[in-house]
Amino acid sequence: GDQVEQSPSALSLHEGTDSALRCNFTTTMRSVQWFRQNSRGSLISLFYLASGTKENGRLKSAFDSKERRYSTLHIRDAQLEDSGTYFCAAMQQGTGSKLSFGKGAKLTVSP
Amino acid sequence: AQTIHQWPVAEIKAVGSPLSLGCTIKGKSSPNLYWYWQATGGTLQQLFYSITVGQVESVVQLNLSASRPKDDQFILSTEKLLLSHSGFYLCAWSRTGEGDTQYFGPGTRLLVL
Repeated sequence: GDQVEQSPSALSLHEGTDSALRCNFTTTMRSVQWFRQNSRGSLISLFYLASGTKENGRLKSAFDSKERRYSTLHIRDAQLEDSGTYFCAAMQQGTGSKLSFGKGAKLTVSP
Repeated sequence: AQTIHQWPVAEIKAVGSPLSLGCTIKGKSSPNLYWYWQATGGTLQQLFYSITVGQVESVVQLNLSASRPKDDQFILSTEKLLLSHSGFYLCAWSRTGEGDTQYFGPGTRLLVL
């Protein structure tokens, strides 16, 4: 079964609003990475977390350091250029370098 | 700075024909290298990874094979394409060792008819 459950699968926001994406893991994960996929298919790495939180501009991500079973990506003051598909991917302890991806969240930001 | 290049950008191939996709990393020695596949509108699935020249581990085969002939090169291939091979192929690299950020290439779109 899927190890990474991502929600929501689609999201529509107006410019200037805030929202959050979430990934739940069916087992304890060592690390999590968040990506945005643009219209050409390129995957842009947003965050890599082994624990705690990271912030970059209007984006902030957190990885549950205790149970290591979920991660969130917060988008503040959404802009049109934030539109795209967001993926989380997690690495399980002891699986070498296997990265398991969520199914993605399609974000549409409108004026 | 490290750069990752994939070729070709896109391919249209016939069922049963051979395929070879390439990936090159510049500016980083001994990277870990990965191949991923994404069905249209779907999620990404790791296919192979390699931690050193000549060594490739299969995660999900999908009737494909991978090789690492040089430190900076990763090749994905098959002798006979299936319709199900259509999709988007992404190469990625990370620093040596487990559990580090993976950086992705621009990808190759493949359509099998």
